[in-house]
Amino acid sequence: DIQMTQSPSTLSASVGDRVTITCRASQSISSWLAWYQQKPGKAPKLLIYKASTLESGVPSRFSGSESGTEFTLTISSLQPDDFATYYCQQFNSYSPWTFGQGTKVEIK
Amino acid sequence: EVQLVESGGGLVQPGGSLRLSCAASGFTFSSYWMSWVRQAPGKGLEWVANIKQDGSEKYYVDSVKGRFTISRDSAKNSLYLQMNSLRAEDTAVYYCARSRWPFHFQYGMDVWGQGTTVTVSS
Repeated sequence: DIQMTQSPSTLSASVGDRVTITCRASQSISSWLAWYQQKPGKAPKLLIYKASTLESGVPSRFSGSESGTEFTLTISSLQPDDFATYYCQQFNSYSPWTFGQGTKVEIK
Repeated sequence: EVQLVESGGGLVQPGGSLRLSCAASGFTFSSYWMSWVRQAPGKGLEWVANIKQDGSEKYYVDSVKGRFTISRDSAKNSLYLQMNSLRAEDTAVYYCARSRWPFHFQYGMDVWGQGTTVTVSS
C-alpha cells in the first residue's frame, strides 16, 4: 500500500502569512493527488485535484505543486476562513486511497 | 442541487451489525465512482471502501475486509455500507462521497454527505 506522509501536523500562522503543507508518497503516484480542507464538524471540501488543478470556486490563493513524490499545498496569503485542517489523498491505484495524517492550521 | 444524505448510524454493541445508506440527488448517480470515508473521534480521515459506477468493482481498506460490504442501487440512487462484526475501533463519523469526474476515480471526491455517526460500545 502507498503511504502518505504529511507535514507538519500543526502549523501556527497569522493572517497574511504564506503557508506551505507537504505530502510525500512512499512510491510514485504520478499526479493523482487531491487536497481537502476540513473544518470542525463539517465534511471535507475538495480544494485541488490532479496535484495542481484548482477546484471550481476555490480561491486562487490556494495552489498545488509536485516534485517527484513530494506534493505541496500553498496558501499564498492566509485568510481568517482558512484556519482549518488540511488533508492530502492519493488515487494512484484502485485501493486503498490513502489520506495523509492531516495538518491543522492554527491562529498564531 | 447536488446532494448526498447519509443515514443509518447509531449505537451498536461490539459484534453487531449496521447498514448505512447514502441517498444521492441532483446528478447522474450511475455515472460515478462512490466511496465511504470515516473519521474516528479526534482523528484524521480514513478511506473505507469504494465502488465503481456499475458496481462491478469494489475495494476495501484492509481493516474492514470480510466485515463490511459496499453496494449501490442505481434505481434508488443509493449507496450502502453493510457493516458486520463491528468493533470499538469502527466508531467514527461515516461519510459517503462522490468522485470528481464521471467514470473516473483519480480526480478526488467533490461531493460529500454530512456524515452519520456510528458508535460501537457495550
